[in-house]
Amino acid sequence: GDSVTQMEGPVTLSEEAFLTINCTYTATGYPSLFWYVQYPGEGLQLLLKATKADDKGSNKGFEATYRKETTSFHLEKGSVQVSDSAVYFCALSPSTSGTYKYIFGTGTRLKVLA
Amino acid sequence: DAGVIQSPRHEVTEMGQEVTLRCKPISGHNSLFWYRQTMMRGLELLIYFNNNVPIDDSGMPEDRFSAKMPNASFSTLKIQPSEPRDSAVYFCASSEQGEAFFGQGTRLTVV
Repeated sequence: GDSVTQMEGPVTLSEEAFLTINCTYTATGYPSLFWYVQYPGEGLQLLLKATKADDKGSNKGFEATYRKETTSFHLEKGSVQVSDSAVYFCALSPSTSGTYKYIFGTGTRLKVLA
Repeated sequence: DAGVIQSPRHEVTEMGQEVTLRCKPISGHNSLFWYRQTMMRGLELLIYFNNNVPIDDSGMPEDRFSAKMPNASFSTLKIQPSEPRDSAVYFCASSEQGEAFFGQGTRLTVV
């Protein structure tokens, strides 16, 4: 079945460091891919998305590129800030017609130190 | 739109009691999802509805859990009887063939 695998956390970085959080997926067809962020005590918020191969999603300095050849959607940011500390979830929505469920990875906790 | 609205935000109940969690999706969204989040199991999809019809409830852990969506603007998740292992944050989300929008969640504690 469809699934998402993301790197184990926690990830601890110093402010202004480069961030990569790996995400790979297993799915039939061409799913849509998402990154969500969850700040403490809050629900998940969409960070960025990509709906087809080679699309790049970007928001708030974060980027991720839909790589069908490697079935990956790695999240990157060039310079993290303390305010980026949160849990990041990679997710996919299958492309099967009529199926709109979202499948989430286990989440990666990011802690940025000043 | 105010987004997905869940109530209550926090619920503390005694084991054996019935608990009802409520969700108001974003107007116009035709899919609604209930998720449970725990430290041990992460984010689990319990059930999702499309056009008010339950499509997949394979994630509902036991018969003690039930969910309804009587109309496009309201859904409930009921646990009866509740048990301490049901303690978690329960999220409702809605979507319209795009990204899912999440509510703030209900933190349930069963003592």
